[in-house]
Amino acid sequence: EVQLVESGGALVQPGGSLRLSCAASGFTFSIYSMHWVRQAPGKGLEWISYITSTSSTIYYADSMKGRFTISRDNAKNSLYLQMNSLRAEDTAVYYCATSRDRRFESWGQGTLVTVSS
Amino acid sequence: ETVMTQSPATLSVSPGERATLSCRASQSVSSNLAWYQQKPGQAPRLLIYDASTRATGIPARFSGSGSGTEFTLTISSLQSEDFAVYYCQQYYNWPPPTFGGGTKVEIK
Repeated sequence: EVQLVESGGALVQPGGSLRLSCAASGFTFSIYSMHWVRQAPGKGLEWISYITSTSSTIYYADSMKGRFTISRDNAKNSLYLQMNSLRAEDTAVYYCATSRDRRFESWGQGTLVTVSS
Repeated sequence: ETVMTQSPATLSVSPGERATLSCRASQSVSSNLAWYQQKPGQAPRLLIYDASTRATGIPARFSGSGSGTEFTLTISSLQSEDFAVYYCQQYYNWPPPTFGGGTKVEIK
């Protein structure tokens, strides 16, 4: 069974940084592309970033380019999202998801990031 | 960027009735369209992909149709567990993949 467990969410001040992790199990993580998606409180879903299985191709949403960095460690079955220069509007639940043909196949339960002073 | 527009924003339906949700793309997405269900406090779940293919374990009462710019998700006979928010998402014109704003299906 596919399991994705996000962690690292916290309360952080504006301008601060945070690193999210997504631990994968129950499938061969190293052959899957992955996404990060977020959802602000009471709002819809917003795609953040995509990384291929070998990290050879990476994409970001324009609004996050230059502030967020996606990475992965296939030896540790883990996906990461480094977030810098955080703003109040980055407050959201952050999900990792497996990518199959560029759709979001399996999702983690999410981790909450709150940006506030 | 392809803008996805869902209607209605809220749909009030009685248990056992049919629900029809719409999703429109600002440009053709071929059949690269997925539907997701999200219940309060839970992550989204993939229901339909390639516009009409049910994901693993999804009941037959869920069906999808359409191509190009117009898509429909139909729930043939609403069960209590189907009351949720539904999102469409295109994966043809990307990056970025884009989501609709969601349709909330509530109990009438």
